[in-house]
Amino acid sequence: DTEVTQTPKHLVMGMTNKKSLKCEQHMGHRAMYWYKQKAKKPPELMFVYSYEKLSINESVPSRFSPECPNSSLLNLHLHALQPEDSALYLCASSHLARNTGELFFGEGSRLTVL
Amino acid sequence: KNQVEQSPQSLIILEGKNCTLQCNYTVSPFSNLRWYKQDTGRGPVSLTIMTFSENTKSNGRYTATLDADTKQSSLHITASQLSDSASYICVVSATSGTYKYIFGTGTRLKVLA
Repeated sequence: DTEVTQTPKHLVMGMTNKKSLKCEQHMGHRAMYWYKQKAKKPPELMFVYSYEKLSINESVPSRFSPECPNSSLLNLHLHALQPEDSALYLCASSHLARNTGELFFGEGSRLTVL
Repeated sequence: KNQVEQSPQSLIILEGKNCTLQCNYTVSPFSNLRWYKQDTGRGPVSLTIMTFSENTKSNGRYTATLDADTKQSSLHITASQLSDSASYICVVSATSGTYKYIFGTGTRLKVLA
């Protein structure tokens, strides 16, 4: 199983809503990532978790709150977002022992903030 | 500063033709370079990986090259198909172990019938 599964595929929310994006992988990868991608741009790193601990936070606004409940799951909690936060949110994982190994991406969650 | 630049920014070719995409990087110390294909609205998928000692690697109709001296890589697509229409992203990893992958700006390829 070489899949990273993201839900939901599409999400529309108002600026006062609270929602969550979910990501799951069963490849035994111990590094998991959240990326944000705007149209026609490359993915931008938001967070990295290694062994379920937050390793990198790329100065992301606090309205984005990551959570790694266990080695297979990664959540991104959303609250009080702005319209400019509308983007494709990609989850990825990689084998921790080879920390420059292949990134396996999910299909992404398309977020629209009204 | 670690950077990855790709050219051209976009490319339109006819089905059946060949094309070559370019990637120049300034990442140091270099570990490996991957080419990803990203269909519109989907997650990127790895096509090939190039390490320091490798010059050429093929994956079906995709052939990647690496010149570690000039810090350049290319992705050659042979006999293009409509399904090749996508963005192609060059991603370089450094050996610093910070889990940071440096992404290029991508080349958007459109294959026309």
